[in-house]
Amino acid sequence: GAVVSQHPSRVICKSGTSVKIECRSLDFQATTMFWYRQFPKQSLMLMATSNEGSKATYEQGVEKDKFLINHASLTLSTLTVTSAHPEDSSFYICSARDATYRGDTQYFGPGTRLTVL
Amino acid sequence: KNEVEQSPQNLTAQEGEFITINCSYSVGISALHWLQQHPGGGIVSLFMLSSGKKKHGRLIATINIQEKHSSLHITASHPRDSAVYICAVWKTSGSRLTFGEGTQLTVNP
Repeated sequence: GAVVSQHPSRVICKSGTSVKIECRSLDFQATTMFWYRQFPKQSLMLMATSNEGSKATYEQGVEKDKFLINHASLTLSTLTVTSAHPEDSSFYICSARDATYRGDTQYFGPGTRLTVL
Repeated sequence: KNEVEQSPQNLTAQEGEFITINCSYSVGISALHWLQQHPGGGIVSLFMLSSGKKKHGRLIATINIQEKHSSLHITASHPRDSAVYICAVWKTSGSRLTFGEGTQLTVNP
């Protein structure tokens, strides 16, 4: 089946630094990628929808300048957490929509656990 | 009221038992996903359904569009099946998945 990878799987950084997370669709082209955030024992919360070649659409309450999303190609989207703070520590998950099917086929990445000290 | 509701929230079973997790939704959908999330966090997509029934190994997923209901069954459950199972729907009018709260399954040896 379709595979979505994320890198890194874990990252620990100091407060004030920026962290970039990559999401790649490995065997299909993804016109749309979704970025989620998940707190312990809670469901996934959609942060933004990323369309290839255009600006991301952010959900209400998500700071665009803090969570920079770039979807430069059909197989790669990146999420950069700028000036990270301890409250940004969370589990970040991306998913990718397969462009060859209707818009309801999504594949999930394994997630990135961010810890900000 | 959530648009996607799962039951039960928590489920404990003995190894070998037949398990059913239910998902009800209140909106029109074009597809329903069953996802599995292990303690390490990674999410695996188990099934995507728009009608009928699908089977993969010991897992079976069914959906009744008229009743707006789906079930995930696990036959001959095993401790490695312990995980959170999440139901998510793609609304016909939507542009993203809507998630249920998840069902925490624990299978004891």
